[in-house]
Amino acid sequence: KNEVEQSPQNLTAQEGEFITINCSYSVGISALHWLQQHPGGGIVSLFMLSSGKKKHGRLIATINIQEKHSSLHITASHPRDSAVYICAVEAGGSQGNLIFGKGTKLSVKP
Amino acid sequence: AAGVIQSPRHLIKEKRETATLKCYPIPRHDTVYWYQQGPGQDPQFLISFYEKMQSDKGSIPDRFSAQQFSDYHSELNMSSLELGDSALYFCASSSQETGVGELFFGEGSRLTVL
Repeated sequence: KNEVEQSPQNLTAQEGEFITINCSYSVGISALHWLQQHPGGGIVSLFMLSSGKKKHGRLIATINIQEKHSSLHITASHPRDSAVYICAVEAGGSQGNLIFGKGTKLSVKP
Repeated sequence: AAGVIQSPRHLIKEKRETATLKCYPIPRHDTVYWYQQGPGQDPQFLISFYEKMQSDKGSIPDRFSAQQFSDYHSELNMSSLELGDSALYFCASSSQETGVGELFFGEGSRLTVL
C-alpha cells in the first residue's frame, strides 16, 4: 500500500464545476504539499499545509491531521486548470524529502 | 520574479556516458532539492543541500553525485548512464532563513539515454 494515496486518479469535469481531489496518507507528517504539473512537465507549488485551511484565488486546500487526510478544491473550474495535481508529504526526513502521491489527472472541458 | 532555472532543458546521451545537470535557485534561497521522475512514474526525492552541505539523501544511485556551490547553484552528475536513467529531473529551492518552507520548482531537465 502506498504511503500517499490520491483519489480519483482521473477526473473529467465541465467548465464551472466544483472539483475536489482527495489525499490520504499513512505516515506521520510535518507538512503536506499540493503541486500542479502541466503536460510539459513543469511543477508549480500550490500549497504547503501543516494544519487547517488555505485559500488562493479559486483554490482551497484543507488538511485534517487526526484523520491523515487533505483535500484540494477548485471552484468555478476552467479548462486552464487541466493538469495533474500531486499530493506530497514531508514525513520525517528533511524539508523537501517528499513522498509523492501518484497524482490526479484533471481535464476540464469547455 | 526570478524563478528556479535548470539547464539544460533537454539532454540526449548514450549508455555509459556521463551527464551533468545544473540548478540555479531563486536568489537568496539556501537550499536545493533534486528529484527524478521516470516516464509515467511519481517523482522520487534524490538528494538535498543546505548551505553547500548535503542535508538529506533519498534514492540516489551510487553512480550519481551532486554538490552545491558557493553561489548556491547545484549540479547533479550522472555517470555510467543506463537506459533506466531516462527521466525528468527536477530541482526545487527554498529558504531556511525565512522558515516558510515553501518549495519553488524548476521546469525540469529531460534526460534521454539511448
